[in-house]
Amino acid sequence: NAGVMQNPRHLVRRRGQEARLRCSPMKGHSHVYWYRQLPEEGLKFMVYLQKENIIDESGMPKERFSAEFPKEGPSILRIQQVVRGDSAAYFCASSQFQREGRFRTDTQYFGPGTRLTVL
Amino acid sequence: DAKTTQPPSMDCAEGRAANLPCNHSTISGNEYVYWYRQIHSQGPQYIIHGLKNNETNEMASLIITEDRKSSTLILPHATLRDTAVYYCIAGADMRFGAGTRLTVKP
Repeated sequence: NAGVMQNPRHLVRRRGQEARLRCSPMKGHSHVYWYRQLPEEGLKFMVYLQKENIIDESGMPKERFSAEFPKEGPSILRIQQVVRGDSAAYFCASSQFQREGRFRTDTQYFGPGTRLTVL
Repeated sequence: DAKTTQPPSMDCAEGRAANLPCNHSTISGNEYVYWYRQIHSQGPQYIIHGLKNNETNEMASLIITEDRKSSTLILPHATLRDTAVYYCIAGADMRFGAGTRLTVKP
């Protein structure tokens, strides 16, 4: 069972270009999360999506950043007009809600990340 | 979601048990406690989760206090490869804190 796939693993862009990061969730998972990790810092939540729906985008910058998770195909995190401050590792995680007794759990499984470098 | 508090760093001797504490005093009754770790700059790795009973798997044990306000992750025989940042999360929406940087020393 393949894990969460992210591509590209490394991406170099010049200031002002667009960056597209892809995430293929684990088989059977319909929830996708995106996180950003700046150098020497912790993981910061960006956005939570289900198929064709954005559930929580409270961690997304208001401008230049967008995310989608279409019915078919991978989830895409898109950064327009990149700036040097966008240089970071971007991690995707996927999950599938499960029931354990009366409660629901949501264990997330992470991909290897995409390292974005903006020159 | 409950906030969590973890010590910023800990050391452990190789072969000994590593006990990583986490406080989550505002946790609500239906929120699980999850533990992840991040080795160097790799993607975070799921370790274990629990609600109120102690849990054990092939990686670790999770001890949750009866009032559920704190928990301890136990790595029974730490190895050098267990050196990582360990994150404790309470609740489903996965807000990561700073975690505990565990260094296993020979």
